[in-house]
Amino acid sequence: DAGVIQSPRHEVTEMGQEVTLRCKPISGHDYLFWYRQTMMRGLELLIYFNNNVPIDDSGMPEDRFSAKMPNASFSTLKIQPSEPRDSAVYFCASSRRASSYNEQFFGPGTRLTVL
Amino acid sequence: KNEVEQSPQNLTAQEGEFITINCSYSVGISALHWLQQHPGGGIVSLFMLSSGKKKHGRLIATINIQEKHSSLHITASHPRDSAVYICAVSPGNQFYFGTGTSLTVIP
Repeated sequence: DAGVIQSPRHEVTEMGQEVTLRCKPISGHDYLFWYRQTMMRGLELLIYFNNNVPIDDSGMPEDRFSAKMPNASFSTLKIQPSEPRDSAVYFCASSRRASSYNEQFFGPGTRLTVL
Repeated sequence: KNEVEQSPQNLTAQEGEFITINCSYSVGISALHWLQQHPGGGIVSLFMLSSGKKKHGRLIATINIQEKHSSLHITASHPRDSAVYICAVSPGNQFYFGTGTSLTVIP
């Protein structure tokens, strides 16, 4: 199994530009999570999906952030317009179930720098 | 308000030493996770436990639900154990993360 795949691995953009991060979960996993990691705040859950449906987006910082999961094998996290404070590492993870009893498998992350 | 507190924040040890990292939490939980993040940034799940103790190689994780406390122990530490160790708890489908403990093991 290839594991969770994220692209791009690194993204450098200018303030105001649109940024799209991509994730392919492990085949057969019904749940997909988007996290953000910064030095100041550590890891934060942004949103998670169950069977392609957004379940909890209370962690999404503001309307500039949006996430979609058009099918079981692909999800995107979009930031429009981007701001320097969005600079962080964004992780995608998937699991068979969202229950805390189930292990999550993390992708390698996308390091975003907004200048 | 931090639902999860880890200590210490930073830890330096000599190779071979026994290491303990602590995690205290303030919410009722179903399970607790220990994650490892290497310098390259990748995150790996080490343990998921809801009671008692689990062991995997040189790693041991314990949890006391009544005291809302968990410990991660590393026996015979090795430089390759150098990483950030993150505690995460979940009262349901929401996850709360500690800020991590940065461990450096010196040869």
